[in-house]
Amino acid sequence: DQQVKQNSPSLSVQEGRISILNCDYTNSMFDYFLWYKKYPAEGPTFLISISSIKDKNEDGRFTVFLNKSAKHLSLHIVPSQPGDSAVYFCAASGAGSGQNFVFGPGTRLSVLP
Amino acid sequence: DGGITQSPKYLFRKEGQNVTLSCEQNLNHDAMYWYRQDPGQGLRLIYYSQIVNDFQKGDIAEGYSVSREKKESFPLTVTSAQKNPTAFYLCASSILAGNPEQFFGPGTRLTVL
Repeated sequence: DQQVKQNSPSLSVQEGRISILNCDYTNSMFDYFLWYKKYPAEGPTFLISISSIKDKNEDGRFTVFLNKSAKHLSLHIVPSQPGDSAVYFCAASGAGSGQNFVFGPGTRLSVLP
Repeated sequence: DGGITQSPKYLFRKEGQNVTLSCEQNLNHDAMYWYRQDPGQGLRLIYYSQIVNDFQKGDIAEGYSVSREKKESFPLTVTSAQKNPTAFYLCASSILAGNPEQFFGPGTRLTVL
């Protein structure tokens, strides 16, 4: 039973347009969320995070939105660039996970030139 | 250069053999983690260690063992008791346990023949 879900295994977006990656979670005890980016044959790298006391966090082209009532978060990338093509993992932590992180299955983003 | 190294990148073993995956970090991080990634699934936590000479089971510890004799090193042994050992293994570290920013190594792909 996955506590963190990323229902879109893949997403293709044209360069310059917005990429929206979605993540849903089931455990209401989660209070910290992160996005990681992973290139092939490399380990994931931390991208952006958000605490449950916020509903938005922005860092350059990347913005994460959190809707606690819907248990949903999304990562927006604007504008999308070919170098953004990677697998994006959503992760959550909180009292419900013993402070460890629970990862979603990932979404593969392809940004087309 | 500070970072996490995992070796080897690719590893092949015969069924029934134990195999040890290396993970070294020179970031002076206290906490270290081992994850497993399978196709279509997120990263699943195998073991983690918050401090030298101490480690805790993650979600899927059965068939694995670890040691943490030095702060810099956290080797993972995949034993013959692990039913499906073929996977991509990722090691990570963070300043403190539960710290949101975990730094990942490049991973080791283990194939058991």
